[in-house]
Amino acid sequence: DIRMTQSPSSLSASVGDRVTITCRASQSISDYLNWYQQKPEKAPELLIYAASTLQGGVPSRFSGSGSGTDFTLTISSLQPEDFATYHCQQCYSTPCTFGGGTKVEI
Amino acid sequence: QVQLVQSGAEVKKPGASVKVSCKASGYTFTRYFMHWVRQAPGQGLEWMGIINPSGGGASYTQKFQGRVTMTRDTSTSTVYMELSGLRSDDTAVYYCARDLVASATLAQLAYWGQGTLVTVSS
Repeated sequence: DIRMTQSPSSLSASVGDRVTITCRASQSISDYLNWYQQKPEKAPELLIYAASTLQGGVPSRFSGSGSGTDFTLTISSLQPEDFATYHCQQCYSTPCTFGGGTKVEI
Repeated sequence: QVQLVQSGAEVKKPGASVKVSCKASGYTFTRYFMHWVRQAPGQGLEWMGIINPSGGGASYTQKFQGRVTMTRDTSTSTVYMELSGLRSDDTAVYYCARDLVASATLAQLAYWGQGTLVTVSS
């Protein structure tokens, strides 16, 4: 199975900060990398797919980059509604696997 | 609009089985693969498997092989996930989630059910 490692596992930030979350795959996954945002007691929401494509309706302050094994999710200017947990996920090969999540806190 | 509505919370004893339903609406049911993902309390997301609502074929992660069965009913646009031999570590929220792109298995999970809490306790 492909192992997905996210870092950091949590971070503290303020409104307006630039935030970067990284995700590393244990082997190359091309650009088969998706990012999700999850708020407490809610289902995850797709933010970015294919490493860098913004899902419809997602604000442009979110961006994704990377290919192969190393990927990044960036929030250019953190907003109050962005405090949540972020998950990366690969499905280059099954079983699809998720990273451990990054909790973004104030 | 696309909606996935799951069945309600369940409490089961160890060794029992649970069957969670996910009723889809707002799109052509047979055109999009459906995934099941679970999340134990305070933990990350875990992919369990995928079903093709068109032909009914399913694929499961090895961890759940022999214990999980995913089925569908095209007449009601509903997919089901049944997990048997429940253990305490199966306590989790179970989600169904639909692929973004028709006929693709990219697991770009654009639509999610609200989740079903399954509690396994003696």
